[in-house]
Amino acid sequence: DAKTTQPNSMESNEEEPVHLPCNHSTISGTDYIHWYRQLPSQGPEYVIHGLTSNVNNRMASLAIAEDRKSSTLILHRATLRDAAVYYCILLPYGGSQGNLIFGKGTKLSVKP
Amino acid sequence: EAGVVQSPRYKIIEKKQPVAFWCNPISGHNTLYWYLQNLGQGPELLIRYENEEAVDDSQLPKDRFSAERLKGVDSTLKIQPAELGDSAVYLCASSLRASTEAFFGQGTRLTVV
Repeated sequence: DAKTTQPNSMESNEEEPVHLPCNHSTISGTDYIHWYRQLPSQGPEYVIHGLTSNVNNRMASLAIAEDRKSSTLILHRATLRDAAVYYCILLPYGGSQGNLIFGKGTKLSVKP
Repeated sequence: EAGVVQSPRYKIIEKKQPVAFWCNPISGHNTLYWYLQNLGQGPELLIRYENEEAVDDSQLPKDRFSAERLKGVDSTLKIQPAELGDSAVYLCASSLRASTEAFFGQGTRLTVV
C-alpha cells in the first residue's frame, strides 16, 4: 500500500478556510486519493475522494497536484465541528484490491 | 437506513477471559473491515472480508483473535484469551466494495483489567 505523509497537527480560526496538505510521492496511476476524518469519540467518516481532477462536495474540496504527488483538502469555512483528525489514504481503483489503511493523520484544532 | 451497527458499545473484562464483538454492516455492502484503534493512534486494520471470504487477515493476531462473517452479512470478532494490551476501541466498517466509500460504526471500547 502506497504511503502518505501529513503534518501531525494544524490550527485554524473559526470561519476561515483551512488547507490540509498530504504528500504521496509513490502514488500509482490507479490510486484514488481518499480523505476521511474522525471526530472525537466517533468512528471515521468519509469526506471526499478523487483521481486527477479537483473535486468538490458539500463537505470540502480536494485539490490534486498535476503530478498527483500531493493533494490538499480544503475546508472553505472552518467551524468548531470540523475539529477532528483528518486522514489522507490511497486506494487502488476498482475490484477487490487494496485496504483502507490509516496513518496518523492531521489533528485539526479550530479556535473560536 | 441504519448505518453500521456494533455491539456492545462498551465492555470490561478480566484478563484471560474471552470476549466477542458483533457488527451488522449496511445492507448490500460486500466489503467489511475490522479495525483496532489505540488512544491517539489511527485505526489499524485487522481483517477485511469480501462477502464471506477473508481476503486479508495478515494483521490479525491469529493466536488469540478470530473472526467470521457467516453468509457474508454480520460479522463477529473474538479474542480468547484477552490480554491487558488488547484494551482499545474496535471498529467495524463496510462498503459496497473495496475502494468505495466506507461507513464506520461507533466502535466497541474494550477495557481489559
